[in-house]
Amino acid sequence: AQSVTQLDSQVPVFEEAPVELRCNYSSSVSVYLFWYVQYPNQGLQLLLKYLSGSTLVKGINGFEAEFNKSQTSFHLRKPSVHISDTAEYFCAVRKNNAGNMLTFGGGTRLMVKP
Amino acid sequence: GAVVSQHPSRVICKSGTSVKIECRSLDFQATTMFWYRQFPKQSLMLMATSNEGSKATYEQGVEKDKFLINHASLTLSTLTVTSAHPEDSSFYICSATGTVNTGELFFGEGSRLTVL
Repeated sequence: AQSVTQLDSQVPVFEEAPVELRCNYSSSVSVYLFWYVQYPNQGLQLLLKYLSGSTLVKGINGFEAEFNKSQTSFHLRKPSVHISDTAEYFCAVRKNNAGNMLTFGGGTRLMVKP
Repeated sequence: GAVVSQHPSRVICKSGTSVKIECRSLDFQATTMFWYRQFPKQSLMLMATSNEGSKATYEQGVEKDKFLINHASLTLSTLTVTSAHPEDSSFYICSATGTVNTGELFFGEGSRLTVL
């Protein structure tokens, strides 16, 4: 079985400050990794994904994440956040040998303050 | 990216009635669709997986007779909450994947169900 842990349920940060949202996973097989953002009362929007290749992945809205196999982590980072980045962020894992089912972490609420 | 649309975005119904939520892939053929449920301030919980033309596979603890899923075409899946009760109030989200495996799921906007 695989699981996804987002260590922080809430992350408050001031505007223009850097931020890191942490994600760790456990799986006995190779996985694909994703970060999604959810704005209030909306569905999920893909920020970025790691399938293979370079471990540093760049996504939309200035976000990036680094896949660290030895630490089984896929932390999301942004060097300078905006008020509009306030949202819920979900890390997700998919086994790369079995269908398209995603397992989600518990989510991290990023709260950007002026 | 591919577009998935859900309808209605919000629905309020009386206890005991049934509600149907539609999930459509607008610009691709969705061979597999997933239905998730999300409680306030919580993550998404997978309810069921449906493949076009076959019966849905439900996750443990999800009542298949209460949450009827139909995936009759490659662009449409429906979730019907039968005999709804207040505890069924939740945010329901569908996602879809196409015939080409890009490793990505495309999500609908979600449907908020409130049962009075």
